[in-house]
Amino acid sequence: GNSVTQMEGPVTLSEEAFLTINCTYTATGYPSLFWYVQYPGEGLQLLLKATKADDKGSNKGFEATYRKETTSFHLEKGSVQVSDSAVYFCALSDRSGTYKYIFGTGTRLKVLA
Amino acid sequence: EPEVTQTPSHQVTQMGQEVILRCVPISNHLYFYWYRQILGQKVEFLVSFYNNEISEKSEIFDDQFSVERPDGSNFTLKIRSTKLEDSAMYFCASSEATWGEQYFGPGTRLTVT
Repeated sequence: GNSVTQMEGPVTLSEEAFLTINCTYTATGYPSLFWYVQYPGEGLQLLLKATKADDKGSNKGFEATYRKETTSFHLEKGSVQVSDSAVYFCALSDRSGTYKYIFGTGTRLKVLA
Repeated sequence: EPEVTQTPSHQVTQMGQEVILRCVPISNHLYFYWYRQILGQKVEFLVSFYNNEISEKSEIFDDQFSVERPDGSNFTLKIRSTKLEDSAMYFCASSEATWGEQYFGPGTRLTVT
């Protein structure tokens, strides 16, 4: 079945460091891909998305490119801030059924001042 | 900007009691979903709902769970007899079309004691 695999956390970085959170997926067909962010005590917020191969989603300095050949959607940011500390979830939209979302396990990011 | 709302934000209940979690999807959306997130774990799909019937449900969504759209605005998740393992954050989501982006509510934290 369809699945999403994310790198294990937690990830601890200093402010202004470069961030990469790896995400790979297994899917039949051509899913849409998403990154969601969850700040402490809050719900899920869409960070960015990509709907087809080679699309690049971007928002708030974060980027991710839909790579069909490597089935990946890695999240990157050039310079993280303390306020980026949160849990990041990679997800795909399962187009084989009702387009339900399948989430990865989440990666906790902690940014130190 | 329209948003999905959920009530209550936190519900505490005793094992064996019935609970109803409420959601108000975005008004022109037709597809509705419930997901749950056990503390520290990934977000899992429970059920999708369209045209007043369940489109798809996961293995988690057993006979203890039911969903309903009692009027034109609310979408509810009922757990008939809660168990300790039902303690989780429950997220409602809605989308305009099957393939459309899902918008998530802030979640209801259910604590079963």
